[in-house]
Amino acid sequence: GDSVTQMEGPVTLSEEAFLTINCTYTATGYPSLFWYVQYPGEGLQLLLKATKADDKGSNKGFEATYRKETTSFHLEKGSVQVSDSAVYFCALMTLTGGGNKLTFGTGTQLKVEL
Amino acid sequence: DVKVTQSSRYLVKRTGEKVFLECVQDMDHENMFWYRQDPGLGLRLIYFSYDVKMKEKGDIPEGYSVSREKKERFSLILESASTNQTSMYLCASSRRENTEAFFGQGTRLTVV
Repeated sequence: GDSVTQMEGPVTLSEEAFLTINCTYTATGYPSLFWYVQYPGEGLQLLLKATKADDKGSNKGFEATYRKETTSFHLEKGSVQVSDSAVYFCALMTLTGGGNKLTFGTGTQLKVEL
Repeated sequence: DVKVTQSSRYLVKRTGEKVFLECVQDMDHENMFWYRQDPGLGLRLIYFSYDVKMKEKGDIPEGYSVSREKKERFSLILESASTNQTSMYLCASSRRENTEAFFGQGTRLTVV
């Protein structure tokens, strides 16, 4: 079945450091890929997405490229800020039966310190 | 703005009770989802629905059922609540195409 594997946290970085959170997936067909973010005390919200191979999603300085050959969708940011501290979830959406199934990874907590 | 509303933020129920969690969305989305979120386990899909009266099992459907009688409303039912169902429950909705899902604020359910 569909699954998403992402690196365990917590990841602790200093402000302005480079961030990579790894995400790999297993899916049938051609899934769409997403990164969601959950800030402390808030609900999940979409950070970025890519719907086909080699697409790059980007938002708020974060980027991720849909790599079909390595089944990966790693999240990167060149210079993190304290305000980026949150839990990040990688997810995929596939067509199944009559609808779309949305599967999440376990989440990676990011802590950014001054 | 898309709004997904869950009926309760916090709920305390007794073991063996029948529990209903309600979710309503206002954007005419075809897909609706129920997840539970537990520390270290991420979001696990319980059930999803792609149309009125249509439902599919997710990865952990045991002990749960769902109902979708109207397009905007998706209910999660715990037939006989147990302590291992204590968790944060999240509802989401999306359009039929492979687009982003919008989440409610969650219901923290405690079964005692």
